[in-house]
Amino acid sequence: DAGVTQSPTHLIKTRGQHVTLRCSPISGHKSVSWYQQVLGQGPQFIFQYYEKEERGRGNFPDRFSARQFPNYSSELNVNALLLGDSALYLCASSSAPGGRNTIYFGEGSWLTVV
Amino acid sequence: GESVGLHLPTLSVQEGDNSIINCAYSNSASDYFIWYKQESGKGPQFIIDIRSNMDKRQGQRVTVLLNKTVKHLSLQIAATQPGDSAVYFCAEGGPYNQGGKLIFGQGTELSVKP
Repeated sequence: DAGVTQSPTHLIKTRGQHVTLRCSPISGHKSVSWYQQVLGQGPQFIFQYYEKEERGRGNFPDRFSARQFPNYSSELNVNALLLGDSALYLCASSSAPGGRNTIYFGEGSWLTVV
Repeated sequence: GESVGLHLPTLSVQEGDNSIINCAYSNSASDYFIWYKQESGKGPQFIIDIRSNMDKRQGQRVTVLLNKTVKHLSLQIAATQPGDSAVYFCAEGGPYNQGGKLIFGQGTELSVKP
């Protein structure tokens, strides 16, 4: 079975641009979360979605938004990109929300803002 | 605020030795803890988890110990191999109403010498 898949794997954007990152969860998983990992640090929680509804939001500006589709895939959108948005963006899936469901991560999308 | 921290940023061991990676957490309400392994350029890989109603859990060559009294978590890797070289993160999952958010520490880099 396929794991969590993310696209694109690498991308370069210019300051002020917009970016959309995509994620497909593990088959049967209905919960998707997004994390940002800056080089040398642990991942930071951005959003969690379950059944197309936002279930959690981290301490990120409104430039960050996400949504989940009926097939449980998800998109993360970032507007007005800043240099500090350069990071590895990780998508994670689990069967249901809540801290006791094992959360599996994809390989991430590397975003470089120049 | 909530935080999950690690005692040592780096750990170097000889191949075949046992490794112990430590982690402290501050939220006594957390009830789920996970260890992830992250190799360079890849997403975090699930290793093992433990619920707060347990003190110890064993997997293949790995053991996680939880001491709720002092809010301490450790990962023991038996017969460490070169393929174990990576950054190891502990993560803390809060109660169900936190929407599955994981709080990660900074990570410990494990280096295995042949």
